[in-house]
Amino acid sequence: GNSVTQMEGPVTLSEEAFLTINCTYTATGYPSLFWYVQYPGEGLQLLLKATKADDKGSNKGFEATYRKETTSFHLEKGSVQVSDSAVYFCALSATGNQFYFGTGTSLTVIP
Amino acid sequence: DAGVTQSPTHLIKTRGQHVTLRCSPISGHKSVSWYQQVLGQGPQFIFQYYEKEERGRGNFPDRFSARQFPNYSSELNVNALLLGDSALYLCASSLEDTSRAGELFFGEGSRLTVL
Repeated sequence: GNSVTQMEGPVTLSEEAFLTINCTYTATGYPSLFWYVQYPGEGLQLLLKATKADDKGSNKGFEATYRKETTSFHLEKGSVQVSDSAVYFCALSATGNQFYFGTGTSLTVIP
Repeated sequence: DAGVTQSPTHLIKTRGQHVTLRCSPISGHKSVSWYQQVLGQGPQFIFQYYEKEERGRGNFPDRFSARQFPNYSSELNVNALLLGDSALYLCASSLEDTSRAGELFFGEGSRLTVL
C-alpha cells in the first residue's frame, strides 16, 4: 500500500541553523511527492513538489530531492528563520485521487 | 481571488447527532476533496469529487457521506457522531481530477468537537 513516514518532532532550532526533516515512503507505481506546510492559524499550503525520480523541488529556500533508490524525500533548508516556524507534512500521490500524508513535524525556530 | 472557504469554523455536537460541513472551492476548480485531521496526525483522505461525481473514497464508515453541487461546492455529512469523530475536517480543491501532479488548495478547516 501507500504510506509516508516522517521524522517525529517537535524540532527546535536556532535562527540560521541547518534544517533536515526526514521523509520516506512506500508506494505502488510511480508516486509524486510533496511537502506541505501549515503555519500557525492558517490552512495547509504546498511548499514544494517533485513528480519523478531525481527531480528536485525547491521553494522559499527549501529543497527536497526525490530519491527512488532510498524511497526518500527529505526536506532541507540551509538557514532557517523564525518565520519558518510551522508544521511540515510530507505527502505522496500515486494511483487514484488521494494524497497520503505523514504525521507532520513541528518546527520552532528561536531567535 | 478567494481561497477555499469552509463553514462552520468550529462546532460542538453530542454523540449520536448529525453534522453537515460545507466547502466552497476556488473559482474554476472542479475537484473537491475532504480530509480528516485528528490532533497530532496527518490528514486522512475521506472523499474526492470531480464534476459532481464521486471519484474516490477513503477507509471511512458509511456514516460519512458527501456530495458536490452544480456550482462545485460540496457538503460532508456525518451521521451518528462518535467521540472519535472529533477532528479538524479539511476541504481541498484542485483544478484536475487526477492528483499525481496536481496541487491541493486547502481551506482552514472545520473543527468538530463531539461530546
